Amino acid sequence: NAGVMQNPRHLVRRRGQEARLRCSPMKGHSHVYWYRQLPEEGLKFMVYLQKENIIDESGMPKERFSAEFPKEGPSILRIQQVVRGDSAAYFCASSPPDRWNGYSYNEQFFGPGTRLTVL
Amino acid sequence: AQTVTQSQPEMSVQEAETVTLSCTYDTSESDYYLFWYKQPPSRQMILVIRQEAYKQQNATENRFSVNFQKAAKSFSLKISDSQLGDAAMYFCAYRSVETSGSRLTFGEGTQLTVNP
Repeated sequence: NAGVMQNPRHLVRRRGQEARLRCSPMKGHSHVYWYRQLPEEGLKFMVYLQKENIIDESGMPKERFSAEFPKEGPSILRIQQVVRGDSAAYFCASSPPDRWNGYSYNEQFFGPGTRLTVL
Repeated sequence: AQTVTQSQPEMSVQEAETVTLSCTYDTSESDYYLFWYKQPPSRQMILVIRQEAYKQQNATENRFSVNFQKAAKSFSLKISDSQLGDAAMYFCAYRSVETSGSRLTFGEGTQLTVNP
């Protein structure tokens, strides 16, 4: 069973360009989380998604950032008009659903991260 | 909102010795999970150990154990017989089970160096 896949592993963008980060969860996992790690800091929660639903986006910046997890295909974190402050490592994690409710309190398995550098 | 504090930005230990990493947290909830994650230079986040708040017994995984003090809101990680491969950044994390969604709230991390 392959782990959580993220691509690209490294992404370089110039200010004002768009960045698209992809995350393929582990097989059987329908819950995806995105975290951001700024240099020398811990991971900060951004968004929690189920297939075709955003469950919690309270950690997402209000502008320029969006996330989706379509019925088919990977989850996408999209950053429009990137600025230097967006330079960070972006981690995706996935977990299987609970059997008794729609959310997931199971262990989150992390991908290797995408390191975004904005020039 | 929950917060997690790791007061030791850096720690070092001699190979084969024991080291304890500190973590405190703030919450008004009575049921939750606590975790220690390891992040080696590869930056991959690896789960080291997990503690459920309603369990009084401290979790143990081989050379890794925790000292969970619920009243004091303290959750320290003890690494016994330290190995060179233990060198990494260690993050303490909190997860609620009382609110919908299950985000992890991380501390700022402790960089552990293992000296041969």
